[in-house]
Amino acid sequence: AQSVTQPDIHITVSEGASLELRCNYSYGATPYLFWYVQSPGQGLQLLLKYFSGDTLVQGIKGFEAEFKRSQSSFNLRKPSVHWSDAAEYFCAVASPGDSNYQLIWGAGTKLIIKP
Amino acid sequence: KAGVTQTPRYLIKTRGQQVTLSCSPISGHRSVSWYQQTPGQGLQFLFEYFSETQRNKGNFPGRFSGRQFSNSRSEMNVSTLELGDSALYLCASSRDRNTIYFGEGSWLTVV
Repeated sequence: AQSVTQPDIHITVSEGASLELRCNYSYGATPYLFWYVQSPGQGLQLLLKYFSGDTLVQGIKGFEAEFKRSQSSFNLRKPSVHWSDAAEYFCAVASPGDSNYQLIWGAGTKLIIKP
Repeated sequence: KAGVTQTPRYLIKTRGQQVTLSCSPISGHRSVSWYQQTPGQGLQFLFEYFSETQRNKGNFPGRFSGRQFSNSRSEMNVSTLELGDSALYLCASSRDRNTIYFGEGSWLTVV
């Protein structure tokens, strides 16, 4: 069965500093990979996705993620965080072509920005 | 282009009652899926509808049901509410099933 691990429940970063949020997955082949962000009291917004091709994916709001097959990872990065990036970030995976296609979610990482 | 719209945004119900939540997908999206989000269990898949048919279902009891109309709008219903049903219920829509876009959610509190 697929699974997703986000090892960090909380991360605190100073405004202007770089950010990396970790995501590891368990899946036999190359899954579809996603990062979503959820601001307090809001729904989830898609930041970026990986289906195939270039393993470095650019997303919205200056975020990028890199798919590393050898490490089963899809870490999210941003070179310089802004106070408005404080939110909860979710990594998700899905099995392409699965008749029971659904997103399997990590537990989320809450990002706290220090002024 | 309007996003996924969910109504109501907030509601309070009493144990034993039933509730119906509504979702209007992004125009042109025929797949609608529902998720439950709680602090303890995180995001859990409820079900997916496509062209008025349930295409996939998560591991929730039969008290949770849904339907989709010919205009792709969807409703989910929870009967005989329990305290543990208090959650944020998220609707998402998709054109191709692969990438889903979420609404703001409906906050349900059961007292």
